[in-house]
Amino acid sequence: QQQVKQSPQSLIVQKGGISIINCAYENTAFDYFPWYQQFPGKGPALLIAIRPDVSEKKEGRFTISFNKSAKQFSLHIMDSQPGDSATYFCAARNNNAGNMLTFGGGTRLMVKP
Amino acid sequence: ETGVTQSPTHLIKTRGQQVTLRCSSQSGHNTVSWYQQALGQGPQFIFQYYREEENGRGNFPPRFSGLQFPNYSSELNVNALELDDSALYLCASSLDRTEQYFGPGTRLTVT
Repeated sequence: QQQVKQSPQSLIVQKGGISIINCAYENTAFDYFPWYQQFPGKGPALLIAIRPDVSEKKEGRFTISFNKSAKQFSLHIMDSQPGDSATYFCAARNNNAGNMLTFGGGTRLMVKP
Repeated sequence: ETGVTQSPTHLIKTRGQQVTLRCSSQSGHNTVSWYQQALGQGPQFIFQYYREEENGRGNFPPRFSGLQFPNYSSELNVNALELDDSALYLCASSLDRTEQYFGPGTRLTVT
């Protein structure tokens, strides 16, 4: 019930292309869905987040699409750049369980110049 | 505005020993959460402190314990270290249990 499944595990995209990462969840108690970007040797950095009453949120080149009925959400990175090469984690917050974040397994993105 | 800081950066301990990791929350934040991130995996929630009280706990044994101080900084203590405790330990701070901002982590190696 607490799992968040993330795919793909790794992704290679050409510079200028669109990177798409998908996540699915089961627990309907999740009420907030952030995405984090992590570079090697660093802590995760909050990228963008969405609440389930919104179907899409866009910030710059990053867009979250949210499908509440399917319990799925995705991150789209438009005009992908080599500097976007990092590991991306989706997460879900259960406000009934100490505000804990449950993370997906991560997607290692490589953007080729 | 100062971000989340953690100390030490790296630590090597022997199996059976005890370790204390420290976290200073971002200015103005009153909530601290601790996560364990094994190599190649997503972070796993250990526990959260809100205004000096434990506010939730993940699936970790009691030998993982913590504290939050009046200035909202926090400690994570791990007793009887096991080899599987080797991981990156992340601290995240937030204001009133909202968006969580992570520190750089402490890399713990247990030999």
